[in-house]
Amino acid sequence: DVKVTQSSRYLVKRTGEKVFLECVQDMDHENMFWYRQDPGLGLRLIYFSYDVKMKEKGDIPEGYSVSREKKERFSLILESASTNQTSMYLCASRGAVKHTIYFGEGSWLTVV
Amino acid sequence: GDSVTQMEGPVTLSEEAFLTINCTYTATGYPSLFWYVQYPGEGLQLLLKATKADDKGSNKGFEATYRKETTSFHLEKGSVQVSDSAVYFCALRNSGGSNYKLTFGKGTLLTVNP
Repeated sequence: DVKVTQSSRYLVKRTGEKVFLECVQDMDHENMFWYRQDPGLGLRLIYFSYDVKMKEKGDIPEGYSVSREKKERFSLILESASTNQTSMYLCASRGAVKHTIYFGEGSWLTVV
Repeated sequence: GDSVTQMEGPVTLSEEAFLTINCTYTATGYPSLFWYVQYPGEGLQLLLKATKADDKGSNKGFEATYRKETTSFHLEKGSVQVSDSAVYFCALRNSGGSNYKLTFGKGTLLTVNP
């Protein structure tokens, strides 16, 4: 089975802190994604990466950056966390079967 | 741009009731359509998909038919179970432009009572 692993399920950070959310996939997928999920807004794409060191902005990139130094790992970075970034963050990856995107279990981030 | 509209929840049903969750979309070209399910405390899982008009996706008793004429992809199940309680997301992936990403609806919370 494809496995997408997000390293932290629950985090509490202070305003202004730098936050790293890590995601690892074990199926050699080229494409990886970061979404945030908020009640009443569904899932919104923050950034995606279609290969190592390649990235593109999604619909809501402001306040975020990403890093893809290795194919299996895609990191989401909040340079200076703010309370409006309190959310559930979902990582996903996609490979050879082009229609199927696999999701991790999510990371709940609270910024206080 | 692309968009997905699905019926607002929450939806509350009794076990063995019939389920319909409506989904309509706006997209250029010929999108692929998906239903994802999110069980409590978990990430999203692909439930079913359809890649062209009149295709029917099915899985675990759920079905949805890709209707190009009405731009719809409604999710149905004949007899729901308590274990079907989850959030359901309709999504599309367009064949043109940036075809790497999915566009999601806002989700519909389904609660099934015994």
